[in-house]
Amino acid sequence: DTEVTQTPKHLVMGMTNKKSLKCEQHMGHRAMYWYKQKAKKPPELMFVYSYEKLSINESVPSRFSPECPNSSLLNLHLHALQPEDSALYLCASRPRLAERSDTQYFGPGTRLTVL
Amino acid sequence: AQTVTQSQPEMSVQEAETVTLSCTYDTSESDYYLFWYKQPPSRQMILVIRQEAYKQQNATENRFSVNFQKAAKSFSLKISDSQLGDAAMYFCAYRGIIQGAQKLVFGQGTRLTINP
Repeated sequence: DTEVTQTPKHLVMGMTNKKSLKCEQHMGHRAMYWYKQKAKKPPELMFVYSYEKLSINESVPSRFSPECPNSSLLNLHLHALQPEDSALYLCASRPRLAERSDTQYFGPGTRLTVL
Repeated sequence: AQTVTQSQPEMSVQEAETVTLSCTYDTSESDYYLFWYKQPPSRQMILVIRQEAYKQQNATENRFSVNFQKAAKSFSLKISDSQLGDAAMYFCAYRGIIQGAQKLVFGQGTRLTINP
């Protein structure tokens, strides 16, 4: 099973709100990723967690705060966002299984609108 | 630095026909992976096919196959018997090791339209 789930599917928030995006998988992961994708563009990497520890932060503004509470869950906490942060946020996971460990499997994404 | 180039922003094909999407990449690594992902209007990124660079045999998944030319650093995707459900944005991606972590480098994408 390579399924990755994300909630919510859609989120509308004001610039003063605090919200969180959630990503879950039950593959047992080697790494989990957050991407931001603007329309008609490829995904841009934001964060990488390897074995539940943050290994890469692609110079993402501090208004985005990732968290990996356990091996199945990845959160992205949002605070004081700007309208230009409106995008599709994708989560991906690389399973522990050796034959699949080089492949990232993506969740369906959260479409975020910041008003 | 690794780069991925998709030179065809848009392609179209008649239903049931065959279409080939192009991808070239640049790397100094000898061991790597290449992927094609499909992103339909629902926006979910779906793995189509993957290729290990150390394997000479081209990967195949049902109607999808690749032409992997390692020396030329080319990795094209062939879709046979195109179906309406194949309409999507297709991204070519290279798996690199950067800062000790595996990262995907994406091309800019090719939007594929299927004409009935």
